[in-house]
Amino acid sequence: AQSVTQLGSHVSVSEGALVLLRCNYSSSVPPYLFWYVQYPNQGLQLLLKYTSAATLVKGINGFEAEFKKSETSFHLTKPSAHMSDAAEYFCAVTATGFQKLVFGTGTRLLVSP
Amino acid sequence: ETGVTQSPTHLIKTRGQQVTLRCSSQSGHNTVSWYQQALGQGPQFIFQYYREEENGRGNFPPRFSGLQFPNYSSELNVNALELDDSALYLCASSPGQADNSPLHFGNGTRLTVT
Repeated sequence: AQSVTQLGSHVSVSEGALVLLRCNYSSSVPPYLFWYVQYPNQGLQLLLKYTSAATLVKGINGFEAEFKKSETSFHLTKPSAHMSDAAEYFCAVTATGFQKLVFGTGTRLLVSP
Repeated sequence: ETGVTQSPTHLIKTRGQQVTLRCSSQSGHNTVSWYQQALGQGPQFIFQYYREEENGRGNFPPRFSGLQFPNYSSELNVNALELDDSALYLCASSPGQADNSPLHFGNGTRLTVT
């Protein structure tokens, strides 16, 4: 069975600082991995996805993530945080068969001026 | 391009009642999935519909049921509501069945059961 673990329910950074949100996955087959962002009172928006092409994946809003099979990790980074990045971030892995996404518990990113 | 729309946005029901939530999929998308997101948690997969047939189900009891219509819109029905059913219900559509097809989510329906 597939699963993801997001380390840190809350991450606080200053505006302009590096953003690093951690995600480790468990999968018995080569996984597809996703990062989604959720703003208050909204649904989920896809940031980026890994589908076994390039291991470094670039997404929207300056985010990127690197798939590391040896570490079973898919951490999300952004070189310079912006106030508008404050939101909840979810890592997810696809269980094979019918697009069922298995989500982590989320990391709330707080950005201070 | 119209995205995924859900209605209503908020709903308050009493324990034991029944509720129907609605979802219009994004144009060109034939697959609809429903997720339940409890407060402070990640979304959990309820089920998926593809061409009007249930195509996969998560660990939810039979009182959670759904429909998909010929225009690919969908309904989620929950019978005999329980307090723990209080959550944000998210609908997501995708253009196909491939595992790497990204899901496009609506803004959800927040259900409160009292």
